[in-house]
Amino acid sequence: GNSVTQMEGPVTLSEEAFLTINCTYTATGYPSLFWYVQYPGEGLQLLLKATKADDKGSNKGFEATYRKETTSFHLEKGSVQVSDSAVYFCALTGGSQGNLIFGKGTKLSVKP
Amino acid sequence: DSGVTQTPKHLITATGQRVTLRCSPRSGDLSVYWYQQSLDQGLQFLIQYYNGEERAKGNILERFSAQQFPDLHSELNLSSLELGDSALYFCASSARRGQGNEQFFGPGTRLTVL
Repeated sequence: GNSVTQMEGPVTLSEEAFLTINCTYTATGYPSLFWYVQYPGEGLQLLLKATKADDKGSNKGFEATYRKETTSFHLEKGSVQVSDSAVYFCALTGGSQGNLIFGKGTKLSVKP
Repeated sequence: DSGVTQTPKHLITATGQRVTLRCSPRSGDLSVYWYQQSLDQGLQFLIQYYNGEERAKGNILERFSAQQFPDLHSELNLSSLELGDSALYFCASSARRGQGNEQFFGPGTRLTVL
C-alpha cells in the first residue's frame, strides 16, 4: 500500500539557517503530495501541495518539488524564522477518495 | 481559523465507556474525514463520509463508528473505550472527494481514557 517516510526529528536550527526535511513515498499510481504544518496546540494546516510529477509547491518561503524518479517530495526553506517552529508532516493521498496517509512528522525548533 | 469546528475540545473518561465526538465542516464542504493522532501510531486515517454516505475506511476499529447527518455535520462514536484509545481525534473537510483536494482540519478533540 501507499506509505510515506520522512526524516526523524527533532531538527534544531538557528534563525536564518537553511532547512531541508526529507520525504520519500511509496505509491501505486500518481498520488497528490502535501506538506502540512502543526503549530503547538493547533490542528494541521496545509503548507503546500503538488498534484503531478515535476510540480513545485510553494508557500510562505517553503518549497517542495514532486520528483517521480526519486519518489521524493523534500521540503526546503532558505531562511527559517523562530515562527516556523512546528511539526511538519509529509502526506500523500491514499485512495481515490482523497484520504491522506501521513509520515510520522518532523519537529522543527528554530532558535533566535 | 480553518472553519472546521470540533467539540468537545477535551474529553476525559474511563475505560469501558462510550463517547461521541462532533465535527462541523466548513460551510458547503461535502466531504468529512476523521483521523486519529497518537504518539505510537502517528496520524492515521479512520473513515470518510461524502454527502451523508460512507466512502472510505482506514484503520478504524470495530468499536468505533461514524455518521454524517443531512446538515453535513459528522459524529464519531467510540465505545468500550480502552487506555490505548487516548489520542487526538481530528476532523477534516473538503469541498469534494478525490485526490488533490485540500483538506481543512479542525482543532481536534483530545480524548483521555483513564
